[in-house]
Amino acid sequence: QSALTQPASVSGSPGQSITISCTGTSSDVGTYNYVSWYQQHPGKAPKLMIYDVSRRPSGVSYRFSGSKSGYTASLTISGLQAEDEADYYCSSFTTSSLYVFGAGTKVTVL
Amino acid sequence: EVQLVESGGGLVQPGGSLRLSCSASGFDFSGYGMHWVRQAPGKGLEYVSAITGDGGRIFYADSAKGRFTISRDNSQNTLFLEMRSLRPEDTAIYYCAWGYSYGFDYWGQGTLVTVSS
Repeated sequence: QSALTQPASVSGSPGQSITISCTGTSSDVGTYNYVSWYQQHPGKAPKLMIYDVSRRPSGVSYRFSGSKSGYTASLTISGLQAEDEADYYCSSFTTSSLYVFGAGTKVTVL
Repeated sequence: EVQLVESGGGLVQPGGSLRLSCSASGFDFSGYGMHWVRQAPGKGLEYVSAITGDGGRIFYADSAKGRFTISRDNSQNTLFLEMRSLRPEDTAIYYCAWGYSYGFDYWGQGTLVTVSS
């Protein structure tokens, strides 16, 4: 199972919006609406930010939103804040009944 | 409050074995599948294995097939990962994870496995 494709890095200034893409195949993103996004700060465990493409868990800021079109899912962070600086990983359920992650995107707040 | 606490990591020589445990609390453990995810130092997340709530179905990533065995003890609310024939490339933080549906809502703090001579 090949990793989902994410950009290595994305940056933005405070208050701006940024979007991270996550491209898969017909074996994962293209077939299932089970894409999730995780935020990971250095030395910490990942935190679920979005599940089922666009649903936000309780307690996650409304500034985080998700979408999907075809084989590509996206995470948008609006009103970028310093605390958003972290690594972000997408994940999808697959036709093998396993999950696959993206390689991760480092978000830098300028 | 949901809690996942991993243990069992450590330093092991190449070819050696290790058994990881994940103690769960705060949810109906036997009613849900559980997962292992690992992260090599400075690298991304890698999905390792999963087991259904009743233990009846088990799934392994290619990197784990034939060497790792996932299991669970629902009477003790504990998830296990038995790892054999360990290689240096298995060096990673191993997380257990759980979710209500198709995302991983909760993660443990992770346990570090180092494979080195």
